[in-house]
Amino acid sequence: TQLLEQSPQFLSIQEGENLTVYCNSSSVFSSLQWYRQEPGEGPVLLVTVVTGGEVKKLKRLTFQFGDARKDSSLHITAAQPGDTGLYLCAGGGAGGTSYGKLTFGQGTILTVHP
Amino acid sequence: NAGVTQTPKFQVLKTGQSMTLQCAQDMNHEYMSWYRQDPGMGLRLIHYSVGAGITDQGEVPNGYNVSRSTTEDFPLRLLSAAPSQTSVYFCASSSTGNTIYFGEGSWLTVV
Repeated sequence: TQLLEQSPQFLSIQEGENLTVYCNSSSVFSSLQWYRQEPGEGPVLLVTVVTGGEVKKLKRLTFQFGDARKDSSLHITAAQPGDTGLYLCAGGGAGGTSYGKLTFGQGTILTVHP
Repeated sequence: NAGVTQTPKFQVLKTGQSMTLQCAQDMNHEYMSWYRQDPGMGLRLIHYSVGAGITDQGEVPNGYNVSRSTTEDFPLRLLSAAPSQTSVYFCASSSTGNTIYFGEGSWLTVV
């Protein structure tokens, strides 16, 4: 069974601060995805990384996939109250497409105070 | 563009009752799946399907049945509801390329 350990579980910061969320596993994943989920809604895909060492940027968000494809990080620069939400990492299995099968981390609840 | 539609949004069941959570997608996606979300545990895969007529078990399949008679629909059946099945259920669909689209969720309480 593949497991993803996400940390921290809770993060409460002030507007303007930087933060990093980590996603670690002992297993290799073919892809790693990051989702954001708001209360009462389903997760929404932010990014997919597939190559070891890959770095993707989405405005103030920077995503990195570890060289060995076992870990990933999400860094937010100058956090804003609109960034508040649940952030989930999810790994796709070996062999290319995940076929809709993902292994999720436990999630990080981020609260950004004005 | 409806995407992934789940019904009902909220349901309260008594222990031992059965029910079906409906899921439909209009994107002609091959792959569909059901997840449950519990506090502190992320989302866990219940069952998934790679095409009409093909289903398989995920991480937590006990107590749930699925079928995939059409590409569009993937219902999840609870045969005899238990309090441990109180959760939020998400249906998802995807095609090749790994982008997975989730429904808005179904909140189920078993008393």
